[in-house]
Amino acid sequence: QVQLVQSGAEVKKPGASVQVSCKASGYTFSSSTMHWVRQAPGQRLEWLGWIHIGNGDTKYSQQLEGRLTITRDTSASTTYMVLNSLTSEDTAVYFCVRDHGEDWGHGTLVTVSS
Amino acid sequence: QSMLTQPPSASGTPGQRVTISCSGSSSNIGSNIVNWFQQLPGTAPKLLIFGNDQRPSGVPDRFSGSKSGTSASLAISGLRSEDEGVYHCAAWDDSLNGHWVFGGGTKLTVL
Repeated sequence: QVQLVQSGAEVKKPGASVQVSCKASGYTFSSSTMHWVRQAPGQRLEWLGWIHIGNGDTKYSQQLEGRLTITRDTSASTTYMVLNSLTSEDTAVYFCVRDHGEDWGHGTLVTVSS
Repeated sequence: QSMLTQPPSASGTPGQRVTISCSGSSSNIGSNIVNWFQQLPGTAPKLLIFGNDQRPSGVPDRFSGSKSGTSASLAISGLRSEDEGVYHCAAWDDSLNGHWVFGGGTKLTVL
């Protein structure tokens, strides 16, 4: 069965960067896309961006463009999300999401606090 | 960014039918398919309806989706206690070079 296993919770100081990984299994990783979505406390789900695993093309939310980088390692079936210049408003649970939402990672809590 | 509008809450008693609405615009629901996600307490969202009205395998036929113009609806019939959770609608939006937009989520309470 499809599994998306994310890295563990992170606590970061304002201005720092965070990397969250998402290891995929149970499907053909190379012919898929991976989205990243976050959910801040009490807020709606927010789309951050996606990567086409096959050719590495990316698209980012305009609100985060310049701070967000999504990459993939096809040999490790893993996608990475790096968010720079963190503020308290980036405190949220971050999810990786396959293709059109068929499968979600379990979520990674990122807390930004001084 | 564009947003989709859902009622913040809905409720019903076991066995009842409940509907949840999702309102958008011509750049999202009006021109793209709608998906619905169910998020049970403490878990990640799960795909409930895709392509406006299609159920993934394993989703009971008590759940149904529809779309008309720039609005969509999720209906849950034969309400059960395990249906209690938050329901999110989502659609691709063609503005701003394209992005996924979500509704604010509707918390369903089974009384």
